[in-house]
Amino acid sequence: GQQLNQSPQSMFIQEGEDVSMNCTSSSIFNTWLWYKQDPGEGPVLLIALYKAGELTSNGRLTAQFGITRKDSFLNISASIPSDVGIYFCAASNTGKLIFGQGTTLQVKP
Amino acid sequence: GAGVSQSPSNKVTEKGKDVELRCDPISGHTALYWYRQSLGQGLEFLIYFQGNSAPDKSGLPSDRFSAERTGGSVSTLTIQRTQQEDSAVYLCASSLGGQGGTEAFFGQGTRLTVV
Repeated sequence: GQQLNQSPQSMFIQEGEDVSMNCTSSSIFNTWLWYKQDPGEGPVLLIALYKAGELTSNGRLTAQFGITRKDSFLNISASIPSDVGIYFCAASNTGKLIFGQGTTLQVKP
Repeated sequence: GAGVSQSPSNKVTEKGKDVELRCDPISGHTALYWYRQSLGQGLEFLIYFQGNSAPDKSGLPSDRFSAERTGGSVSTLTIQRTQQEDSAVYLCASSLGGQGGTEAFFGQGTRLTVV
């Protein structure tokens, strides 16, 4: 079935550093989404991408919908301690959303 | 309410008992999703409802799992004869669906523990 490969699995960075994570698939999708999950909470939507090649920003977050429609990346600039959490990519064609395995981000003050 | 509401927030049940988990989606959202998240793991797709279409049940792990969505709104996920491996957080999400887009909003989840 369709599968999303998300990397890296985890990251431990210094406050102020930039972060990059990505998601790839062998399948084509027409929607890519990025979520963040804090402990004990449901995932929260960060950015939605609907067009191949689209680059979208939300504050310090920037995400791109790959031109091949098989990948997406998320960048976080100038990380701060509250960026800690698990980041998930998600993708869809028909409305059914599938998720990557997540990237756990830890930020050292 | 303004967001997706799930109940109960926590459920402890004995192995072999049946459990029902409830999800109240955001008003006006036609799409509803159920996912399962084991400790430290990603989100495992279970089932997807879109409007009046037949649900996509391809993620249900066994015939002990079933879900209904009544009146296009509230959904109930039922697990029969629970097993210890069913212990996980069960997350529900809803979206506008169709041409309205796939941006799904999640509830807080129900933490199920089977003892």
